[in-house]
Amino acid sequence: GEEVAQTPKHLVRGEGQKAKLYCAPIKGHSYVFWYQQVLKNEFKFLISFQNENVFDETGMPKERFSAKCLPNSPCSLEIQATKLEDSAVYFCASSKGFDYGYTFGSGTRLTVV
Amino acid sequence: GQQLNQSPQSMFIQEGEDVSMNCTSSSIFNTWLWYKQDPGEGPVLLIALYKAGELTSNGRLTAQFGITRKDSFLNISASIPSDVGIYFCAGQGYNNNDMRFGAGTRLTVKP
Repeated sequence: GEEVAQTPKHLVRGEGQKAKLYCAPIKGHSYVFWYQQVLKNEFKFLISFQNENVFDETGMPKERFSAKCLPNSPCSLEIQATKLEDSAVYFCASSKGFDYGYTFGSGTRLTVV
Repeated sequence: GQQLNQSPQSMFIQEGEDVSMNCTSSSIFNTWLWYKQDPGEGPVLLIALYKAGELTSNGRLTAQFGITRKDSFLNISASIPSDVGIYFCAGQGYNNNDMRFGAGTRLTVKP
């Protein structure tokens, strides 16, 4: 489709629980990006993929965060043992490549209680 | 963290007024982009700029890519209530595909 589909829209987890977020990029877009938007609207880059390969993971807190983009499946972002500070809106975006703007999904709001 | 300095942080204007916001960076960017985010939604691309000095319009929106490649501005003319939202600048560097965002400009338009 022509939109980036993110699920679920809202996710509530107790501290220490696992959270898994999904993203279906636009068909034909070979790049996928994950961003975290926190309270002050700041967008923090987490990770990018070129097809199923990690392209840049410099923003990922590696201890508890992991992400995958497997063929014929939605991409996923998983947080093991969530902490209160993981509460944020997580956006996925996809793009055709370097010279194109990104198309964002509508985000998953994660609340850790 | 943020590498782009976006200002102003917020603006309160009357319907019909023109608006201007800008972004500066200490780094050179290959591409500058401007996005708008409505509550509960992801950012939507408004304008993309690819060449230094480029001036591009999209309806009532006009944006420019600074000659030094370190800054950009966005103008909105004759604002209307649906212009309300948060506007973000974003920059893409050479040889990397991730985008860095400014902190956003929250625009309120009074009817």
